[in-house]
Amino acid sequence: AQRVTQPEKLLSVFKGAPVELKCNYSYSGSPELFWYVQYSRQRLQLLLRHISRESIKGFTADLNKGETSFHLKKPFAQEEDSAMYYCALRRHSNYQLIWGAGTKLIIKP
Amino acid sequence: DVKVTQSSRYLVKRTGEKVFLECVQDMDHENMFWYRQDPGLGLRLIYFSYDVKMKEKGDIPEGYSVSREKKERFSLILESASTNQTSMYLCASGEQYFGPGTRLTVT
Repeated sequence: AQRVTQPEKLLSVFKGAPVELKCNYSYSGSPELFWYVQYSRQRLQLLLRHISRESIKGFTADLNKGETSFHLKKPFAQEEDSAMYYCALRRHSNYQLIWGAGTKLIIKP
Repeated sequence: DVKVTQSSRYLVKRTGEKVFLECVQDMDHENMFWYRQDPGLGLRLIYFSYDVKMKEKGDIPEGYSVSREKKERFSLILESASTNQTSMYLCASGEQYFGPGTRLTVT
């Protein structure tokens, strides 16, 4: 079954601490994975995609095919990182996205 | 500036009413999507369209229909609204661009 799992509904860390938002997937074939973010009262937006291998707002994510994971990391959290984060996987068959349930990240001052 | 707009930010309807949610994009995208967003469930795909008059069911199409008569406009229709359709509805154009959402309450 094709599935994206974000095991943490809520993650709370102090400002300046490292952040890791977990994402695990189940997919037969080569996955294409994404992280999206939704700040309070703003629209959902793409944060990064694994094929770009980029760092956006200090966040990085590495695809680990052995562990079927795509965890989102940032070495030093900032208060403005507080948001809802979604991991998503794109089906190659029809380009639809499969979404995780989301993790609410709270950065404490 | 890229834009995806949705016809309403908030909507309150009664059970049994027919509800229309409209989404318009100005990027000439072929793919457009309708999701519902519920706490603890993430986004669930209702329908998507990959071209004018072309549509495919997503994961939860029951109780919904869609219309794509023009490339820029993708409409979601609730034929007979029910209370379990109370939710936030998000339209997306391509994989990257989302509308602001419509919070629908069915009483």
